[in-house]
Amino acid sequence: DAKTTQPPSMDCAEGRAANLPCNHSTISGNEYVYWYRQIHSQGPQYIIHGLKNNETNEMASLIITEDRKSSTLILPHATLRDTAVYYCIVRMNRDDKIIFGKGTRLHILP
Amino acid sequence: DGGITQSPKYLFRKEGQNVTLSCEQNLNHDAMYWYRQDPGQGLRLIYYSQIVNDFQKGDIAEGYSVSREKKESFPLTVTSAQKNPTAFYLCASMNNGFNYGYTFGSGTRLTVV
Repeated sequence: DAKTTQPPSMDCAEGRAANLPCNHSTISGNEYVYWYRQIHSQGPQYIIHGLKNNETNEMASLIITEDRKSSTLILPHATLRDTAVYYCIVRMNRDDKIIFGKGTRLHILP
Repeated sequence: DGGITQSPKYLFRKEGQNVTLSCEQNLNHDAMYWYRQDPGQGLRLIYYSQIVNDFQKGDIAEGYSVSREKKESFPLTVTSAQKNPTAFYLCASMNNGFNYGYTFGSGTRLTVV
């Protein structure tokens, strides 16, 4: 089973920040949090990952709580092209497979 | 450019036939994976391989077979034993380093007619 819990869907107005939550209350100390997104009928695309510190790249920011039991992916200025399913994943160990949950379907509203 | 290539993009199969989906990567990644996705659902792991000539079953391996004779290639065969093969199939690869994620192909949509 996936080790993360996400809301099934969210709406966000175009131009606003989209904040996607993820719960991973059983995460262990050496596990990273990864985020991917999947636009309809395409392969998932890597967005960002982190261990304990907040991370930012050209696509998004990742905020991880101090106890590491939850995180938030932030898309700072959402556009219609950000409409996708967003997956939050906890990576188990270096040689293991990745288990995907059902993700959050983000709708960007014009 | 480096990446993963899946072919064909669309595939039609008659019931009772085996069909093989191709996955090739030029990223020099060690591990490769096959996932299946049904409409409105997440990804489910079929098979994965972390090194050449070795592979493991995922959560839904029944009715599928794979081979890993070369590092670059990880073909998936959907056999006639797979009762509901119509789905979107995704291949991914990853370096066996602790801090790396997946790179995905663009997928193959298989339809049984």
